[in-house]
Amino acid sequence: SAVISQKPSRDICQRGTSLTIQCQVDSQVTMMFWYRQQPGQSLTLIATANQGSEATYESGFVIDKFPISRPNLTFSTLTVSNMSPEDSSIYLCSVETPTEAFFGQGTRLTVV
Amino acid sequence: ILNVEQSPQSLHVQEGDSTNFTCSFPSSNFYALHWYRWETAKSPEALFVMTLNGDEKKKGRISATLNTKEGYSYLYIKGSQPEDSATYLCAFWNAGNNRKLIWGLGTSLAVNP
Repeated sequence: SAVISQKPSRDICQRGTSLTIQCQVDSQVTMMFWYRQQPGQSLTLIATANQGSEATYESGFVIDKFPISRPNLTFSTLTVSNMSPEDSSIYLCSVETPTEAFFGQGTRLTVV
Repeated sequence: ILNVEQSPQSLHVQEGDSTNFTCSFPSSNFYALHWYRWETAKSPEALFVMTLNGDEKKKGRISATLNTKEGYSYLYIKGSQPEDSATYLCAFWNAGNNRKLIWGLGTSLAVNP
């Protein structure tokens, strides 16, 4: 199993600003995953963060908007840049074993 | 395009009622089907990971079945309690090297005391 500490748990931000979300895992993992859930939508994978290389982004997500850092095997950050109200979502980080996914507590972001 | 659909979208039941939800998923390229329980302000919590056609799993009052040939899974809650109130998500895990979790929208359950 894995325990993931994610912060902040929630934030209200002004449009045009940026927010960095942090995730700390209690064990070393090769890949970490960043998801978004917009209101009324399903959990959608933003990108996969690998230690020592650039993150792999899913279709519709770009590095300039969602830069990711992965400085070591237990930590990752996701930045939501130049925010607009459409970025209001729950953001989740995750790690996977061959049989299960584990999640942080989520960051509920509201952009005003 | 891989699509996972859940129904109903939301459900309100009385304490003691039994209920069930449906998850439909692609019947090809199947690796596993996950059920998660997500309470507000908490991490999604894994309930079941199911891999074999005909699988039936149980955890307390909650059970699930899996039909990979027709691409559906049922989640059952027997004797619902207020603490069962949460969103129940299913996710399809495809086979192959490029494995990704594809999530349904979830079923939001509210159990009234």
